Parts: sequence; structure tokens; C-alpha cells
Amino acid sequence: QVQLVESGGGVVQPGKSLRLSCAVSGFTFNSYGVHWVRQAPGKGLEWVAVISYDGSNKYYADSVKGRFTISRDNSKNTLYLQMNSLRTEDTAVYYCATLDVFNADFDHWGQGTLVTVSS
Amino acid sequence: QTVVTQEPSLTVSPGGTVTLTCASSTGAVTSGYYPNWFQQKPGQAPRALIYGTNYKHSWTPARFSGSLLGGKAALTLSGVQPEDEAEYYCLLYYGGAYVFGTGTKVTVL
Repeated sequence: QVQLVESGGGVVQPGKSLRLSCAVSGFTFNSYGVHWVRQAPGKGLEWVAVISYDGSNKYYADSVKGRFTISRDNSKNTLYLQMNSLRTEDTAVYYCATLDVFNADFDHWGQGTLVTVSS
Repeated sequence: QTVVTQEPSLTVSPGGTVTLTCASSTGAVTSGYYPNWFQQKPGQAPRALIYGTNYKHSWTPARFSGSLLGGKAALTLSGVQPEDEAEYYCLLYYGGAYVFGTGTKVTVL
């Protein structure tokens, strides 16, 4: 079955960097766009970024543009999120997800990884 | 910055009907925004219910339906069950980028 497993979360100081990974299995990874979504403690969902199936197109939320970079390695079935210049407001659980808003039955999420930005 | 607004909270009786809405700060929501709706229960990842305004996934109970209503996307729950108590989020597509709504807490009481 489809699995998405995030890793790389932890505690980091403001201004520092962190890279999240999402290992994917159970579907043809190189045929689909994938997303990062985050949720601050006790708050709502925030869409962060998406990358197309081949990595040629990337879009970001205004709140992370210029600081975060989404990428993928289709040979490793892995999605990444490089987070630079981290701020306290970036503290959240980060989910990778397939989020196909156009088609049926392709909605898969990881369990999430917690990023805490604190001095 | 685009803001997508939902009702903060709604209360419904078991067996009743409730409609949640989703408004965009850019103007009327149309089918071109491909409105999606997600349900999230405490401690769980979200789960999609509706895609493309009004299409259900295979796992979506029949009592959930999506539509456009007065320039907004809408999610209607008919014959509400206790297990429908959850947070609901809409998601709109802006030609590349996406924005989640602020979320609606539905209480079944």
C-alpha cells in the first residue's frame, strides 16, 4: 500500500537550517506531484509547497518563499524540504502528501514530523 | 496574500444538516479553483472528502456533498453522525499554488 514517511524534524535555533525528507513507496513516485503541508500546534493546516512529477515546476506559499526549497530524487523515491532562515513561526508538524485535487482516490499523507524552532 | 475564510465553528444535532462555506479574498470561488474538502480528527492526518468542487472519493460517505453557493465553495453534511465531529478544511487551487481555508470545527451535540 501507499506509504509516506517523513523524517528530519527536531529542535533548531532561529536563523538555522533543517532538511526534511519524505520516503515514498507503493506508487509510481515519478508520475506524481507531491506537497508539503504544515500545522502549527493547535492551529489549522497551511499548504507549504508543491513539486511536479519531474521536478520542473515548484510553487511555494508566500510565508516560505525565498527561505524553503522543495526538491525530489525520483531514483530514491524521496521528497525533500530544505528550510533555511528558520523562524519561531515555522514551528509545526510537517506532512508530505500526494494531495491530488483533480482526481479521485489519490489522497495519501505521512504521519508528520515535528519541527520546533526555539532558542 | 490570499486568505481563504471558513466559519470558525458550527454546531449540529445528530441527524441534522449543516453547511460549511469557503470564501476567497480574491473574489468568487468558481470550479476553476477545484475546491477540495478535508476532514481532520484530533491526532490524525487530514483525509480528503471532496475534490473538484463536488466529486466524492470512494471512501466518502454519501451524506457529504460539495457545491458552489453564492460565490463560495460549500460542504453540506446531511444526516450528521456523531463520528462527523471534526475539523474541516477547504483547499483552493490558484494556478500552481494552493491555500487551505482557516478551518471549521463541527460539533455534533
